[in-house]
Amino acid sequence: SAVISQKPSRDICQRGTSLTIQCQVDSQVTMMFWYRQQPGQSLTLIATANQGSEATYESGFVIDKFPISRPNLTFSTLTVSNMSPEDSSIYLCSVEKAGLGTGELFFGEGSRLTVL
Amino acid sequence: GDSVTQMEGPVTLSEEAFLTINCTYTATGYPSLFWYVQYPGEGLQLLLKATKADDKGSNKGFEATYRKETTSFHLEKGSVQVSDSAVYFCALDTGRRALTFGSGTRLQVQP
Repeated sequence: SAVISQKPSRDICQRGTSLTIQCQVDSQVTMMFWYRQQPGQSLTLIATANQGSEATYESGFVIDKFPISRPNLTFSTLTVSNMSPEDSSIYLCSVEKAGLGTGELFFGEGSRLTVL
Repeated sequence: GDSVTQMEGPVTLSEEAFLTINCTYTATGYPSLFWYVQYPGEGLQLLLKATKADDKGSNKGFEATYRKETTSFHLEKGSVQVSDSAVYFCALDTGRRALTFGSGTRLQVQP
């Protein structure tokens, strides 16, 4: 398995500010993903975090709004920029563990953001 | 594009009742199919999976069979327990290694 720590676990933010979420994994992983889960809705993939290069964003998500870093194989950050109430969501870090090859993803417990 | 449709919840059952949570999908190619579970206060975790048609995934008394002809992957359990109360997500992977999720179904099991 993989143990994923996300910080912060929750936060209340003011409109127009930015917040960076950290994701730390206890072992090296091949793929890291960031998902968003809006209230009462499913998980939506924001982007794939690529080590040493720009993240790959899904349709509807852009780098200026959700800049992502992945400096090594065990750590990534997601920033939610210039927040509005519509950004209130749970943000989840997810990883595919190196060498497992099962297609299984491991998830952090999420970061619950409330934007006022 | 790829999509997953789950039955809406919440589903409320008495202990030892039979459970079915429906899941159908739309995808190009031949996806792998998954059920993930999120217990209260915990992160999502894999419950079971199937990678090709007619495969049956099973774990903790739960089962789901990959039905290509009906594009379905329904989750079943013969006798639910209070500890099964959670949110269940159906998901697929078409080889991108990122998952497409259904909307989730909350299960509440009463003693």
